Parts: sequence; C-alpha cells; structure tokens
Amino acid sequence: DAKTTQPNSMESNEEEPVHLPCNHSTISGTDYIHWYRQLPSQGPEYVIHGLTSNVNNRMASLAIAEDRKSSTLILHRATLRDAAVYYCIPRPGSNYKLTFGKGTLLTVNP
Amino acid sequence: GAGVSQSPSNKVTEKGKDVELRCDPISGHTALYWYRQSLGQGLEFLIYFQGNSAPDKSGLPSDRFSAERTGGSVSTLTIQRTQQEDSAVYLCASSLAFLSGDTEAFFGQGTRLTVV
Repeated sequence: DAKTTQPNSMESNEEEPVHLPCNHSTISGTDYIHWYRQLPSQGPEYVIHGLTSNVNNRMASLAIAEDRKSSTLILHRATLRDAAVYYCIPRPGSNYKLTFGKGTLLTVNP
Repeated sequence: GAGVSQSPSNKVTEKGKDVELRCDPISGHTALYWYRQSLGQGLEFLIYFQGNSAPDKSGLPSDRFSAERTGGSVSTLTIQRTQQEDSAVYLCASSLAFLSGDTEAFFGQGTRLTVV
C-alpha cells in the first residue's frame, strides 16, 4: 500500500478556505486518491475521490498534482461542522483495501 | 433507513463474557468491512466480506474474534471471552463494488464496547 504523509493538525477560521495537503509519493498508477473525514464521536464519512483530474463535489474540491505524488483537499469556506480528522487514502484499483493512517486534525475557530 | 446501521450503539460487558455486534449494510452493497478504533487511535482493519467469496480475515487480532455474514447482507462480529483490551469502537462499512478504487465506503456510527 502507498504510504501517506499528512500534517498532524491544522487550524482555520470559520468562513475561510482550508487547504489540507497529503503526500503520497509511492502511489501506483491505478490507485485512486480518497479522502474521508471523521467528526467527533462519529464513524468516518466519505468526502471525495479522484484519479488524475481535479474533482469537485458539494463538500469539497480535490486538487491532484500532475505527477500524482501529492494532493490537496480544499474546503472552500470552513464551518464549525468541518472540524474533524481528515484522512487521505490511496485506494488500490486492484483490491478493496481501505487503509486509514493518522490523518490531519482540523480545528475551525469561530 | 438509507445508511449503515449498527447495534447496539453501546455495550458494556464483563471480562470473559462473549459479545455479538451487528451490522446492517446499505441494501444492495456487496462489500462489507469491519474496523476497530481504540480510544485516540486510528482505524484498524479487521475483516472484509465480498458476496459469496471467502472473507479476508487477515486483520482479526486473535482467534477470539470471528465474523459472519448471512445471506450476503447482515453481518455479526463475535468476540469470545472478552478482555479489557477489546474495549474500542467497532465500525462497520459497506460499499457497492470491490476490486475497484472508484467506489466509496459508507460507515455506520459504530458500537462502543466497554469491557469491565
């Protein structure tokens, strides 16, 4: 499985954009890049995923580097509800494994 | 409901007793996962089911842990002779397809197990 590196923690202010980085330099060509988040006392929640192109959905945007060795999850306007641990997970296209690392704890200040 | 349902939401048991945790996946989802999350720790993979295929049990920590999935739907995780180190939140997830990175998993709210 590809190894990931994420900051242990990040802080943002409400209503401001947040850029959460992830380094996955050992990613293989068929691995999708998934992002999940876990709000306090809840199960993980899917956020977004992509392969090569940048992706947008109602929750966030995902910017994938051209060499695919890194990606950035973008929350366009952080809210207090976005405070969570964010996990970046390279998911192999050839199997089902979804392996969680330590993630980034995002704190949103009012 | 439309989501993954787990029961009970909380379980307190005495050391040495057996417990059963239940997961109802989203209807039509053929893939089902169990994870464990100890206090302040990350998610630890336990077991994976896909349709009628043999499950991947590689994450089960000991032979006291077992799981089954009946009729390709509901799954039960059983822990025999519980120990205090089994205390954790047990999370279940389901997914539409396997052998593809292009699908997302949906998680339940978990069962918080406390062994006293």
